[in-house]
This record gives sequence, C-alpha cells and structure tokens, in this order.
Amino acid sequence: GQNIDQPTEMTATEGAIVQINCTYQTSGFNGLFWYQQHAGEAPTFLSYNVLDGLEEKGRFSSFLSRSKGYSYLLLKELQMKDSASYLCAVRGAGSYQLTFGKGTKLSVIP
Amino acid sequence: ETGVTQTPRHLVMGMTNKKSLKCEQHLGHNAMYWYKQSAKKPLELMFVYSLEERVENNSVPSRFSPECPNSSHLFLHLHTLQPEDSALYLCASSPTGGNYNEQFFGPGTRLTVL
Repeated sequence: GQNIDQPTEMTATEGAIVQINCTYQTSGFNGLFWYQQHAGEAPTFLSYNVLDGLEEKGRFSSFLSRSKGYSYLLLKELQMKDSASYLCAVRGAGSYQLTFGKGTKLSVIP
Repeated sequence: ETGVTQTPRHLVMGMTNKKSLKCEQHLGHNAMYWYKQSAKKPLELMFVYSLEERVENNSVPSRFSPECPNSSHLFLHLHTLQPEDSALYLCASSPTGGNYNEQFFGPGTRLTVL
C-alpha cells in the first residue's frame, strides 16, 4: 500500500518563499506529482518528478529524493492567487494510478 | 478548461433516488478515473477504466456503479445513497503510454444526499 504525509495547513507572506514537504512510503514507485487546487475547483497539474533532483518551472520548483521517500514543492515570490491546496500524489510501480495525500492548504497573507 | 467536462455541476438527491453523473473528455486519452473528495480526506480513487484494465477500489460500495461505453465517456450511476456519500466527485483522464501520464481533472460534481 501507499502512505503519503504532508502538513495540513501553512501560512506565508506575499512575496516570500514557502516550501511544502511531502513524505511517502510505497510498495513501489513510478513518479511523484504535485497538483494545485483552488477552493471549489478541479486540481491542476504543477509538476512531475521521477528521478532525484530539482525540477524548476517558473516560480515553482519540485524536489525528489527517492532514497528518503521525500519531496518538496517550493513556491517563490508568493502571490495572493497562490492561496490554494497543494496535493502530493505518488504513482506506484507498473501502474498509472495515483495515490493522493490529504493536501496542504496554503494561505498567502499581505 | 482542461478538456474534461462533467455534468451536472451540482446535484441534490434523496436516499431513494437514482441519478447518474456524466464525464466527457476531448483529449484523446484512453484512461478515465472517478475520484471522491470529502472534506479533510485525501482524494480517493474509486474506479479506473482504460484499454488495458478496469480497476475498482474494493472499499467502494455497490451503490456506486460505473459505466464506460467508450474511451471518451464515463458515467457514475448512483442509487440508494447515504448522507455520508455527500462529496465532490471528480472525473479525470490521462494517456497510458509513456512515463508522464499526467491526469487532467474535470470541474467535479458537488453531490449532496439528503
């Protein structure tokens, strides 16, 4: 089975940097995804990591360490519109199904 | 707009009603998914349909019944639901080839069972 853990809530200031951590324990691993979900809306894809290291995409970066079962999502130059839930999801080996964490609700304050 | 549409967006039903949720994807994907999202719980995978397989989460009650007539359409038939089934039901689609396989989500159906 899969177990995915991420903080429930975080608060950060506009213009700052925030790091959202995700740890996972899985029976197999074939990639880790981060999704953003605004209240009342569908999740939208942010990033994908399958090899160790940092993937950068504009203001957002995602890091993966497979040996530690650990990932983080880094958001730079925070904007008010970044207030949302951030979902960590893991794909098991030999499958394209995703197992999601409970999500981290990020509040960006002025 | 992600290319995945769901109808209705909101549904209120009694415990004795029968209703269906519809999902349609215009992305040429060959896998479709139903998820349940309840407050303070992770997204829960209910069903997967693809060219290769149909997968059911064994914890999903039989009062939820999926139907996938083709690779572009997915239904979730509901009957004799319980109040605890009230949740956001999300449909998603993805390709199955290659390694990336990002899932694209529809806007969801907000279901309330009275």
